Amino acid sequence: AQKITQTQPGMFVQEKEAVTLDCTYDTSDPSYGLFWYKQPSSGEMIFLIYQGSYDQQNATEGRYSLNFQKARKSANLVISASQLGDSAMYFCAMREDNTDKLIFGTGTRLQVFP
Amino acid sequence: DARVTQTPRHKVTEMGQEVTMRCQPILGHNTVFWYRQTMMQGLELLAYFRNRAPLDDSGMPKDRFSAEMPDATLATLKIQPSEPRDSAVYFCASGFPGINNEQFFGPGTRLTVL
Repeated sequence: AQKITQTQPGMFVQEKEAVTLDCTYDTSDPSYGLFWYKQPSSGEMIFLIYQGSYDQQNATEGRYSLNFQKARKSANLVISASQLGDSAMYFCAMREDNTDKLIFGTGTRLQVFP
Repeated sequence: DARVTQTPRHKVTEMGQEVTMRCQPILGHNTVFWYRQTMMQGLELLAYFRNRAPLDDSGMPKDRFSAEMPDATLATLKIQPSEPRDSAVYFCASGFPGINNEQFFGPGTRLTVL
């Protein structure tokens, strides 16, 4: 069965520093997609970044990058130059190619301090 | 700026009452998802539709929950009768099969059943 694990319930980072949020996954499907979503205190879910299992390069979107290590089944989110507005819950999710369903991890609460 | 809309944003009701939540997917998206978020269970997929047809409702308690898409611009999730354990945030998301199958989330309906 597919599973997403986020082992860090909470993380702190100082403004302008980089932070890595961990995500490991388990699947037997060779084709899958990995997603990161941000949920600020207002509650909405905001898509950040996507990585396909066959993508040769790590995905990047502005200050977000995904450190994809396929052999280790990890898809860590790296946020560079943290900003106060990055304080939020961050969810890792996976979709196998034979389904549209997203399976979410339990999330990591990131707090950025000045 | 295309967005998924959900109504109501907040709903407080008494146990035993019927609750109807509505979602308008992004125009052109043919896949609609209903998720539930609770502190205990995190984000769970309840059901999803493609081209208005239900594809998977295995995450939904069948005895009291029902999900429909009367037309391409409206998805509904009903709970009858509601119970206190149904208190949660219910998200609707829409998407279109493509390269990454990104799902765009609505703002959610916060349901409290007393």
